Amino acid sequence: AQTVTQSQPEMSVQEAETVTLSCTYDTSENNYYLFWYKQPPSRQMILVIRQEAYKQQNATENRFSVNFQKAAKSFSLKISDSQLGDTAMYFCAFLGSAGKSTFGDGTTLTVKP
Amino acid sequence: EAGVAQSPRYKIIEKRQSVAFWCNPISGHATLYWYQQILGQGPKLLIQFQNNGVVDDSQLPKDRFSAERLKGVDSTLKIQPAKLEDSAVYLCASCRWRNEQFFGPGTRLTVL
Repeated sequence: AQTVTQSQPEMSVQEAETVTLSCTYDTSENNYYLFWYKQPPSRQMILVIRQEAYKQQNATENRFSVNFQKAAKSFSLKISDSQLGDTAMYFCAFLGSAGKSTFGDGTTLTVKP
Repeated sequence: EAGVAQSPRYKIIEKRQSVAFWCNPISGHATLYWYQQILGQGPKLLIQFQNNGVVDDSQLPKDRFSAERLKGVDSTLKIQPAKLEDSAVYLCASCRWRNEQFFGPGTRLTVL
């Protein structure tokens, strides 16, 4: 069974600064996908960024980028130029070959003005 | 395109009562997930459908929870009888096979 661990329950960052959220996972599969989702307070979960395990190049999406270390089973999210609207709970998620989805317990990020 | 729809948005019931949640996925999305999200935790997968077939229900408490996806479109999740520990947000998500999941707004269940 896959597991996803987010070791930082809460983090804070000053507006305009950079923050990195950590995620590690455990799997015996070789072909999988990893995602970061954002859940703002009282709002729906939305996708931030995705990474295919077969791709060595790290995914980027505007101010969001990942550091994917397949051998170490690590998948961290870097948010550059943090904005107040980035305040949310962030979830790391694993998607396996059978489509089974596993989420971490999340990191609550607060961006301070 | 329309998003994932869920109803009701909120439900309060007494323990031992029954409750049902409804989900309408995005058109064309064959994969549908139901999750339970307890406050302060990540979503826990309850059941995964591919069209109208069950792919994974290993974490569904089958003595009290049931789910179906007739005709491979809408889905319902039922709890009977409810327990206090079932208080949570129930999320429905849909996607194309092995792709980004689109989430509904969730149903917040309170069991008294």
